[in-house]
Amino acid sequence: DTEVTQTPKHLVMGMTNKKSLKCEQHMGHRAMYWYKQKAKKPPELMFVYSYEKLSINESVPSRFSPECPNSSLLNLHLHALQPEDSALYLCASSQDIKQAYSPLHFGNGTRLTVT
Amino acid sequence: AQRVTQPEKLLSVFKGAPVELKCNYSYSGSPELFWYVQYSRQRLQLLLRHISRESIKGFTADLNKGETSFHLKKPFAQEEDSAMYYCALSAAGNKLTFGGGTRVLVKP
Repeated sequence: DTEVTQTPKHLVMGMTNKKSLKCEQHMGHRAMYWYKQKAKKPPELMFVYSYEKLSINESVPSRFSPECPNSSLLNLHLHALQPEDSALYLCASSQDIKQAYSPLHFGNGTRLTVT
Repeated sequence: AQRVTQPEKLLSVFKGAPVELKCNYSYSGSPELFWYVQYSRQRLQLLLRHISRESIKGFTADLNKGETSFHLKKPFAQEEDSAMYYCALSAAGNKLTFGGGTRVLVKP
């Protein structure tokens, strides 16, 4: 399996809801990432996990809470979001963060709409 | 801090014509540079990386440290090359920073 799988594909949530985005990979990669992509903009890094530990948090608001329960899974818990948080959320994985030349494998993303 | 600049938002070329996508970067360390591509309704995927020095789908890119550039070139564009192209720089912690992207449209 050489893919990163993200669920759900689409999500609509109210500002008071709690929801979670899920990401899974079975390539044996030990680094996993969350990116946020607004329309017609490049992806922006949110979080990096290395060996299931949070390695980078790009000053993301606390209403976004990442979790890496094991080496294959990455979650993003959402609570009290704002309409401006509506975007495409991309998950990615790579072999190891120590290898800067190691390419990222991206999922198809979850398109989130906050109403 | 690292920064990647792609000056062209849109490049429109005719099939068979050469195409060059510009990418400039700023980074104090030794950069690892990539080109990623996103075809219509497909996921973002790696096209090539400078460390491999390879040609993928006829595309090549040369790292020029003096000019801090990593331009992507293809001598003869094909219609299937129409896509969104992102230049990206990887820093410590494999923190990947993307340029703004260039949309390539290859006309028949």
